Amino acid sequence: DVKVTQSSRYLVKRTGEKVFLECVQDMDHENMFWYRQDPGLGLRLIYFSYDVKMKEKGDIPEGYSVSREKKERFSLILESASTNQTSMYLCASSLLAGVREQYFGPGTRLTVT
Amino acid sequence: LAKTTQPISMDSYEGQEVNITCSHNNIATNDYITWYQQFPSQGPRFIIQGYKTKVTNEVASLFIPADRKSSTLSLPRVSLSDTAVYYCLVGESTGGFKTIFGAGTRLFVKA
Repeated sequence: DVKVTQSSRYLVKRTGEKVFLECVQDMDHENMFWYRQDPGLGLRLIYFSYDVKMKEKGDIPEGYSVSREKKERFSLILESASTNQTSMYLCASSLLAGVREQYFGPGTRLTVT
Repeated sequence: LAKTTQPISMDSYEGQEVNITCSHNNIATNDYITWYQQFPSQGPRFIIQGYKTKVTNEVASLFIPADRKSSTLSLPRVSLSDTAVYYCLVGESTGGFKTIFGAGTRLFVKA
């Protein structure tokens, strides 16, 4: 079974802090994704990566950056956390590109106070 | 990627068949239709994908009419554990990386 793990299920940070969310997949997938999920808005793509050290902006990249130094690990960075970044963050990976089967982690619920 | 429209919520009873319809009027020739299921406090899970006519697996069936402007996810004999949010996505199966999840359809199954 594909496994996507995220470093924390719940996280509370203060405004202005630098926040790191880590995601690891164990299936040698080329593609990895970061989404945020907010009530009534569904999932919105923040960034994705199709190879090591490669990244592309999604629909809402402002206020975020990412890092992919190893194939299995994709990190989401909030340079200076703000209250409007309080959300559920979901990481996913996929073997193939496009609208194909993506495997999701359990999510990290981040609260910024 | 084609925009999709689905009902915000649906209610059903255990044992009933549930059909969730998704509209995608601007679907392109190379686009596939994909459905995901999300339980509370979990990430979405892939259910089924199709291009035309009918696809069936152990979880659901997907019906796609000839014009492909809509699709219907069919869940046979639902149980309480099928209570979840169901997302319809439309896009190229290869080549494009962006995936658009809308607000989905919240299905509530009652006893």
